[in-house]
Amino acid sequence: DSGVTQTPKHLITATGQRVTLRCSPRSGDLSVYWYQQSLDQGLQFLIQYYNGEERAKGNILERFSAQQFPDLHSELNLSSLELGDSALYFCASSVGGGGGTQYFGPGTRLLVL
Amino acid sequence: AQSVSQHNHHVILSEAASLELGCNYSYGGTVNLFWYVQYPGQHLQLLLKYFSGDPLVKGIKGFEAEFIKSKFSFNLRKPSVQWSDTAEYFCAVNLNRDDKIIFGKGTRLHILP
Repeated sequence: DSGVTQTPKHLITATGQRVTLRCSPRSGDLSVYWYQQSLDQGLQFLIQYYNGEERAKGNILERFSAQQFPDLHSELNLSSLELGDSALYFCASSVGGGGGTQYFGPGTRLLVL
Repeated sequence: AQSVSQHNHHVILSEAASLELGCNYSYGGTVNLFWYVQYPGQHLQLLLKYFSGDPLVKGIKGFEAEFIKSKFSFNLRKPSVQWSDTAEYFCAVNLNRDDKIIFGKGTRLHILP
């Protein structure tokens, strides 16, 4: 158990819908990272927040957005969902914002029908 | 562009065989290097990491990796694999004090009992 929690574990929804994934980092960690893992694209970094502010951006679509709240939990919002958004979404956390070891959560498996 | 290459996408070995998984990166500066493992149905876990010092790093479960700066490589090794090592292995790199970690596409390791 890494100490990072993610909810829900599984999510099934339809195209065009919007979903919110939630992540709670390890106690004391200030950074939260979001990743998308799919069979064809592998593990893709989406976005990072550090202490409430966006710190780094990766291959995140405009239909996707995220935020980190004062209690440091983070939410990833996925809207206008497409079939190709079906994937495993991981959250990770780390102590600081300058790289270092990331601890991964169990992931949310999203299936868009 | 910054990238991480894992040369083997699928590796099949018998138990007790020796393992070496290749990883090369394309950064010019000081880097932090990681190997993560993802067991079937589970989240990513840190196997080992290199930040500085001895370039031969020992991790959990008998794994080790060697950082060769001149070759931009960080290959993962294990002298004798077990069936329980069946998993997907990800090499990851970030520039020192950079926030983004770039993951390789992963190597699926299958150990035959």
